Amino acid sequence: DSGVTQTPKHLITATGQRVTLRCSPRSGDLSVYWYQQSLDQGLQFLIHYYNGEERAKGNILERFSAQQFPDLHSELNLSSLELGDSALYFCASSVTEAFFGQGTRLTVV
Amino acid sequence: AQTVTQSQPEMSVQEAETVTLSCTYDTSENNYYLFWYKQPPSRQMILVIRQEAYKQQNATENRFSVNFQKAAKSFSLKISDSQLGDTAMYFCAFMKQSGGGADGLTFGKGTHLIIQP
Repeated sequence: DSGVTQTPKHLITATGQRVTLRCSPRSGDLSVYWYQQSLDQGLQFLIHYYNGEERAKGNILERFSAQQFPDLHSELNLSSLELGDSALYFCASSVTEAFFGQGTRLTVV
Repeated sequence: AQTVTQSQPEMSVQEAETVTLSCTYDTSENNYYLFWYKQPPSRQMILVIRQEAYKQQNATENRFSVNFQKAAKSFSLKISDSQLGDTAMYFCAFMKQSGGGADGLTFGKGTHLIIQP
């Protein structure tokens, strides 16, 4: 058990809809990194939050946004969903260990 | 920007054999971390081994060891006495140390390792 919690585990939604993915980092970790894993793009870094502030952006679409709350959990918001957004979304905490959550499998139909 | 290349999309070996997975990377950074992650069919990402670039000694974790060649920008993973449970996707990843790791991990495309009974 990595100590990183993601919910939900699975999500099925229709094109054009908006969803929110949630991540709680390991106890004591201030960072949350979001990654997308798809067949086309492989594993890609999306965004990093540290103690409530955005630290770095990767290949994150403008339709996607994230935030980190005072209790350090983070939410990734995906809007105007397209079929190509179907992927496994991971979050991770810690700088050097990068412990991963179990992921949220998003299917857009 | 950093790039990570895994040139072996798939490998298959017999149980108990030794197998080496290749990884090369390109960076202008001097201080960084390199990782190997295992992703079994459950899709969980599991850290296998980590190497700090400033350390000359190759990292080892039980049956897993790396051959880190900084000048050649090579970071291969050796699995000794392979077991059926080692069947998984293996990802090589890079993280630069500057900025406190803010930019996250850069991954290769992965190697699908199959251990045959």
